[in-house]
Amino acid sequence: DTGVSQDPRHKITKRGQNVTFRCDPISEHNRLYWYRQTLGQGPEFLTYFQNEAQLEKSRLLSDRFSAERPKGSFSTLEIQRTEQGDSAMYLCASSSLGGPGQPQHFGDGTRLSIL
Amino acid sequence: GEDVEQSLFLSVREGDSSVINCTYTDSSSTYLYWYKQEPGAGLQLLTYIFSNMDMKQDQRLTVLLNKKDKHLSLRIADTQTGDSAIYFCAESITGYALNFGKGTSLLVTP
Repeated sequence: DTGVSQDPRHKITKRGQNVTFRCDPISEHNRLYWYRQTLGQGPEFLTYFQNEAQLEKSRLLSDRFSAERPKGSFSTLEIQRTEQGDSAMYLCASSSLGGPGQPQHFGDGTRLSIL
Repeated sequence: GEDVEQSLFLSVREGDSSVINCTYTDSSSTYLYWYKQEPGAGLQLLTYIFSNMDMKQDQRLTVLLNKKDKHLSLRIADTQTGDSAIYFCAESITGYALNFGKGTSLLVTP
């Protein structure tokens, strides 16, 4: 399978705990994106990387959120001191390097549930 | 971000054509996409169109772009029960961060 891979698929944790998600993009893709999707809504952009550089961050990405892509391959998204409102599906996407507008291909997401 | 509006529900009979509509507010939107999402899954890219085009056809899918009215549509010919899903319209000004609508739930009945 050469699609975008996300791990874990589901995460249940207690409020106040830290969680970390991993995304492996399609192997030849240089750009990697994180989105959040709550029930009944479309995905909302969080941040994106070109290689290891984080080029844009949404205002939704509060201080409790941090994303990294240290070697320009896989990426991690960490949420510290989780809150009830963090419950959502976290989606990762990747696209090839080229001009703007390269279509983004999504993984199946990590569903986070905060107890 | 700017608004992307879609009708919430659409029901069609198997074999008919489906037309899903989307309007956006920012005339600078240059990159427009259609995605399909099935329950519990991520988003599957269906097709995309850039603002220098008016129409794009790909097998059963036809995308029409009316830049003057800021209106995008997705037509699915010969709709099948397997097409039942949520369809998202997305736009981007920069070509990077996508701004999605809330999705249109398509139900295909036999």
